[in-house]
Amino acid sequence: AQTVTQSQPEMSVQEAETVTLSCTYDTSESDYYLFWYKQPPSRQMILVIRQEAYKQQNATENRFSVNFQKAAKSFSLKISDSQLGDAAMYFCAYRSPWISNFGNEKLTFGTGTRLTIIP
Amino acid sequence: DSGVTQTPKHLITATGQRVTLRCSPRSGDLSVYWYQQSLDQGLQFLIQYYNGEERAKGNILERFSAQQFPDLHSELNLSSLELGDSALYFCASSPPVAGTDTQYFGPGTRLTVL
Repeated sequence: AQTVTQSQPEMSVQEAETVTLSCTYDTSESDYYLFWYKQPPSRQMILVIRQEAYKQQNATENRFSVNFQKAAKSFSLKISDSQLGDAAMYFCAYRSPWISNFGNEKLTFGTGTRLTIIP
Repeated sequence: DSGVTQTPKHLITATGQRVTLRCSPRSGDLSVYWYQQSLDQGLQFLIQYYNGEERAKGNILERFSAQQFPDLHSELNLSSLELGDSALYFCASSPPVAGTDTQYFGPGTRLTVL
């Protein structure tokens, strides 16, 4: 079974600065997907960014980028130019690929990192 | 707005009771997933349906059951409720074809068992 570990329960960053959230995972699969979800105080789960394991290039979405190290099984999220609206819980998640008769596409989540933005 | 809807938003009930949570997936999505988020357990996968059929089961208690209807909406039934069942229950959906891996979450139903 796959596991996802977020070793930083809480992080804080000054507004406009850059912060990196860590995530490691354990799997024996060679193909998979990784995600970062954001959960603001509204408790909505919002997709921030996704990475396909077979792609070498790190994913980026505006101010959000990842550092995907497949051999090290590491998937960190970098938030540049932090804004007050970035304050939230951030969850790293793993998903196996869709295989027609397999049925293992659930998301496995880490325990989350609470990010505080200091004005 | 993810396009996934869940009702009700909040539910308060007593121990021993039974409740039904409803989820409508995004238009065109065939897969529905249910997750439970409690304070001490984080986000846990409960069950997945694909086009009306159960596809995968996770840490779902025997007191809980689910189904997906022909119109693809899904219901999660929780019975003989206990205090520990208080949690946020999320539904997520994803598109029907291989390679479309992203799951989109609804706003959740907050269940409080008193």
